[in-house]
Amino acid sequence: EDQVTQSPEALRLQEGESSSLNCSYTVSGLRGLFWYRQDPGKGPEFLFTLYSAGEEKEKERLKATLTKKESFLHITAPKPEDSATYLCAVRFKAAGNKLTFGGGTRVLVKP
Amino acid sequence: SQTIHQWPATLVQPVGSPLSLECTVEGTSNPNLYWYRQAAGRGLQLLFYSVGIGQISSEVPQNLSASRPQDRQFILSSKKLLLSDSSFYLCAWSRQEYTEAFFGQGTRLTVV
Repeated sequence: EDQVTQSPEALRLQEGESSSLNCSYTVSGLRGLFWYRQDPGKGPEFLFTLYSAGEEKEKERLKATLTKKESFLHITAPKPEDSATYLCAVRFKAAGNKLTFGGGTRVLVKP
Repeated sequence: SQTIHQWPATLVQPVGSPLSLECTVEGTSNPNLYWYRQAAGRGLQLLFYSVGIGQISSEVPQNLSASRPQDRQFILSSKKLLLSDSSFYLCAWSRQEYTEAFFGQGTRLTVV
């Protein structure tokens, strides 16, 4: 049973074309939702932590939001350097120290 | 500041050979440590995690094992590699149970 699902699997954007990535989770007792960026052949780079519904975090052209069952990563006016795979992960009470990842969304921003 | 080192970056090993991947963390004490595996174009699969020296929890029964001989050192091992062990292996650390994890740059393992 998938506990973290990301959509879409892939996203092609024109430079400047804003869009949103979705991360939905089925776990109960959420203890944190995390967004990462991963470039090809590299380890994931931490972006944001969200702990409670209604919380928002921003960094440059990225904004992450959290509801009770999903999170969105909004990319505003993306540039080609925003091309990467974006990963979502959750921690929940029953899993203790585990960090469970979704499958990721591959974003390609064309100039 | 904290840093995580993982090596080697790439490794090509014959089937049946042993494996040892090492990960060390600097600038923090008593971190939680993790080994993940990532298939091409896929998400991350947790293999092992450790909350302290000598304490290892295994998530997926397989041909691999992990050890934590020192507070900030985490080792992934195999006695005999299989072709199916070819993958991208990532080490990570976190400060506490419910905080974000920080990743190393990964090891691309190819078993031939």
